[in-house]
Amino acid sequence: GQNIDQPTEMTATEGAIVQINCTYQTSGFNGLFWYQQHAGEAPTFLSYNVLDGLEEKGRFSSFLSRSKGYSYLLLKELQMKDSASYLCAVLDSNYQLIWGAGTKLIIKP
Amino acid sequence: DGGITQSPKYLFRKEGQNVTLSCEQNLNHDAMYWYRQDPGQGLRLIYYSQIVNDFQKGDIAEGYSVSREKKESFPLTVTSAQKNPTAFYLCASSIGQGATDTQYFGPGTRLTVL
Repeated sequence: GQNIDQPTEMTATEGAIVQINCTYQTSGFNGLFWYQQHAGEAPTFLSYNVLDGLEEKGRFSSFLSRSKGYSYLLLKELQMKDSASYLCAVLDSNYQLIWGAGTKLIIKP
Repeated sequence: DGGITQSPKYLFRKEGQNVTLSCEQNLNHDAMYWYRQDPGQGLRLIYYSQIVNDFQKGDIAEGYSVSREKKESFPLTVTSAQKNPTAFYLCASSIGQGATDTQYFGPGTRLTVL
């Protein structure tokens, strides 16, 4: 079966750095997405990785290792507004998005 | 402003009633999607449409129906055959039929069946 694993919940301190991991086992791979979702709201696109390596976009960076079936989202200089769920999703061989359950990130002052 | 709208934000229905959730986009996107989100689970695909007058079943299509008569609109009907309809429903669209297109989401409709 296809599987996306993320930690259920993480806690970090304002101003710090946090890394949210995502491991996947899917039938094929055509890219990995990260989305941010505030409670009760729509997911918003953060990043897309299809090649190995690190993609940096402001305070957020996303890393991919296809050989390890692994990605992480790195958030720097955490702000209270970063409190949200972070969703990892993989495009499988049929170009269908397989979604993880999301990681709820709690930021403390 | 371009975007995706879903209405209403909250919807209550009695068990056994059909209900239709609205999704409209003015982004000129060809592809549209319906997902269901339940606590502790990833998004699950109900139906998707890559072009007007065509749509495909997703992983959990049973008890749901859709139509795509206009490019801008992709309404979802939750029928009485859906055994557990209470959930958060998200509509999304993407620019074209390109397989790696980013999906953009509407604000969602929270359906509660009493």
